[in-house]
Parts: sequence; structure tokens; C-alpha cells
Amino acid sequence: EAGVTQFPSHSVIEKGQTVTLRCDPISGHDNLYWYRRVMGKEIKFLLHFVKESKQDESGMPNNRFLAERTGGTYSTLKVQPAELEDSGVYFCASSRLAGGIDTQYFGPGTRLTVL
Amino acid sequence: GENVEQHPSTLSVQEGDSAVIKCTYSDSASNYFPWYKQELGKGPQLIIDIRSNVGEKKDQRIAVTLNKTAKHFSLHITETQPEDSAVYFCAASIGDYKLSFGAGTTVTVRA
Repeated sequence: EAGVTQFPSHSVIEKGQTVTLRCDPISGHDNLYWYRRVMGKEIKFLLHFVKESKQDESGMPNNRFLAERTGGTYSTLKVQPAELEDSGVYFCASSRLAGGIDTQYFGPGTRLTVL
Repeated sequence: GENVEQHPSTLSVQEGDSAVIKCTYSDSASNYFPWYKQELGKGPQLIIDIRSNVGEKKDQRIAVTLNKTAKHFSLHITETQPEDSAVYFCAASIGDYKLSFGAGTTVTVRA
């Protein structure tokens, strides 16, 4: 079974530019999560999809961040325009069961650097 | 919201010795506590988890203990080996799906 994959692995952009991160969850996993780790701090929750629906986006920093999951398969996270404080590692995770906490499987992350 | 504190931030142990990482949480409703290991260039991988109806769980050299009254849980690694060197994260559940993570512990096993 293939794991969670993320693309790109690294992205270096200038302040004001736009970046789109992609996540492909494990096949059959309805739940998809985005997390972010900034500068050696804790991994912070950004948002949660169940299939194509956003269940909780309480962790999204501001309206410069837009996440989508069209068709309930892969997801994209767009940052527009990027700011310096957006630098960090963005992780995607997926889990199988709805209606209860289940093991979350993480992807390798995308390291975003905003200059 | 849930706040998870993790200590220590770095831990260096001699190969063969034990390593202990401790976490505390604030939300008494948390009922699921996973531990993740992140190796260089990889994403966090689940190594063990515990639910609130259990006080201790073991898997070979790894064990986790949970004290719900005191709201703390710990990871114990015995007979450490060089391949145990990594960053370890504890987490506590928020509601049915969210996880709140600690800041991570960088473990170095000296040969």
C-alpha cells in the first residue's frame, strides 16, 4: 500500500509569490489533514477534510491560505501571497475511519522557504 | 484549546541505556495519545499509541504510560540503539479527529 505522498519536497519562493502544495492521501482514506511545523516548534493543525468537505479549518492562519480537495482524492494547499512567516514544513496526513479518532499517517512534508 | 508540553527538547543517551520522554496535556477530554518518530528527510511515523482506558502499553523495546488524573504520559525506550536517533513527538487528541502535538524531542544515541 502506497503511503501519503506530497509534492514538492522543497519550495523556495520570494515574498509575495504564490505556491501550491499537493498531497495524495492513502487510497481509500476519507480523512485528510494539513499540519505545519514552524522553526522547530510543535506540529500545528491547519485543517481537516472528510472526503471533499472541509470539516474544520480553525487552524488556518489567515485568508492567504486556501485548501481544496476536489473529488475527495488529492488535496492542494495554496498560499497567496506568501509572507516570510509562512516558512516551515507542511505535512499532510490521512486516516481511514470517519466518526472517531484513527491512526493518522503522515507524508514526508513540503519544506517551504519564503525569502 | 489543548496544550501539550513535551520534555526534554533534546536527549543524548549511551547505546544500550534507556530514554524517557514526558508530555503533559491540558484537555481532560483527550482520549487518544499517539507517539510519532521522525527521521531525517521523512515524515512523522506512528510508533505506538495509547487510549485513555489503558494505563500502559508495550511493544518490544517501546512502552508508553498514561496517567489521566495527572494528565501526563511518557514514552520509554529501553536498550537504545543508533537507529533510535530521531525526533520524537507526542500528541493528544482534540475531539474526534484533531491532534495537538508537543514541540518534539531530538534523541541522539551515542555508540
